[in-house]
Amino acid sequence: DAGITQSPRHKVTETGTPVTLRCHQTENHRYMYWYRQDPGHGLRLIHYSYGVKDTDKGEVSDGYSVSRSKTEDFLLTLESATSSQTSVYFCAIRGPRGSPLHFGNGTRLTVT
Amino acid sequence: AQSVTQLGSHVSVSEGALVLLRCNYSSSVPPYLFWYVQYPNQGLQLLLKYTSAATLVKGINGFEAEFKKSETSFHLTKPSAHMSDAAEYFCAVSAGDTGTASKLTFGTGTRLQVTL
Repeated sequence: DAGITQSPRHKVTETGTPVTLRCHQTENHRYMYWYRQDPGHGLRLIHYSYGVKDTDKGEVSDGYSVSRSKTEDFLLTLESATSSQTSVYFCAIRGPRGSPLHFGNGTRLTVT
Repeated sequence: AQSVTQLGSHVSVSEGALVLLRCNYSSSVPPYLFWYVQYPNQGLQLLLKYTSAATLVKGINGFEAEFKKSETSFHLTKPSAHMSDAAEYFCAVSAGDTGTASKLTFGTGTRLQVTL
């Protein structure tokens, strides 16, 4: 399995609080992605990174920010969590050209 | 822009029967197409991918998919279903594999149930 670790695996938080999810890789891959998974929607891209300090928005980026200060870590921050951000969040990484995405095991976030 | 449509959110087959999961795509450029499988409480695992080589792509666990440009389809098949195939399956498309084109757009998923 590709070396991807997401933390925490589960989190319950209250509306209005900040939350940071971490994705850590040991593969030294350039590309990293954050997706959220919701019933009936499949996976939707939040943000992605194509290098250290190089990030871009996906289709559902409102309310989320990301940072990548080093190759191995890609952080997803919810500045002020809302109930609509209750979801399962997946990090993915991709290696050299032609290689597929490899996914972490996900973080289940509940905003009460 | 690219998109994927998976027909049927739930598919049920008997063990030993043919599995057919449908995926149609839309892309303004030659697409890269993927099928992923997700078992309960796990991340997604790549089944197979099409990247403009052979149109019939073989993947893991006996699955295969055929790229049909004229039908804009990339349906997933397996000749004989096994109980262990019960999972959710996602079709995905990207416009390439570098930069912004590398973003994957997923379908909404098809849950496969296998019955005795």
